[in-house]
Amino acid sequence: DIQMTQSPSSLSASVGDRVTITCQASQDISNYLNWYQQKPGKAPKLLIYDASNLETGVPSRFSGSGSGTDFTFTISSLQPEDIATYYCQQYDNLLLYTFGQGTKLEIK
Amino acid sequence: EVQLVQSGAEVKKPGESLKISCKGSGYSFTSYWIGWVRQMPGKGLEWMGIIYPGDSDTRYSPSFQGQVTISADKSISTAYLQWSSLKASDTAMYYCARLLRAGISNWFDPWGQGTLVTVSS
Repeated sequence: DIQMTQSPSSLSASVGDRVTITCQASQDISNYLNWYQQKPGKAPKLLIYDASNLETGVPSRFSGSGSGTDFTFTISSLQPEDIATYYCQQYDNLLLYTFGQGTKLEIK
Repeated sequence: EVQLVQSGAEVKKPGESLKISCKGSGYSFTSYWIGWVRQMPGKGLEWMGIIYPGDSDTRYSPSFQGQVTISADKSISTAYLQWSSLKASDTAMYYCARLLRAGISNWFDPWGQGTLVTVSS
């Protein structure tokens, strides 16, 4: 099984800050990685697919990068509405999926 | 509008059976995989399994194989997640989500609103 290690598990930042979350795969997953946002009490929402592609309608302050085993999710300028937990998720061609442990983002 | 609407919250006793549902609308239900994801209280997301309603091809996470059954009724555009004998540790929010695929790329979008299952004596 592919394991996904996401860090940090929690993060406190100020409005306007640049925020970075990392996700590391236990083996090479190419760019088979998605990022989701889950606001409190809500279902997850897709933000980025294939490591770096922004889902339609998602603000451009969100971005993703990486390939192989190391991936990064960035919010260029944190906004109050970005308070949420963020998850990475890997996939493969066998339709097997693994989520990272999640990063809870709070406003300082 | 593409939507997945899940059945309502359930309160059950240990040992009871349960079947929760996820109804798709606004798209061809038989042409897209539907996945199920568990979120235990205060915890992260865990992928449970996935079904293709067109032919009921089903895949399970090794962690959930034998613990739950995923099925679908394409005549009513509904996918199901069921337990034969619930345990207190099954207490969680359960989400369904449609799988979008483009070549080898795939991602879950949209998601249902979630069904809260509480198992308590």
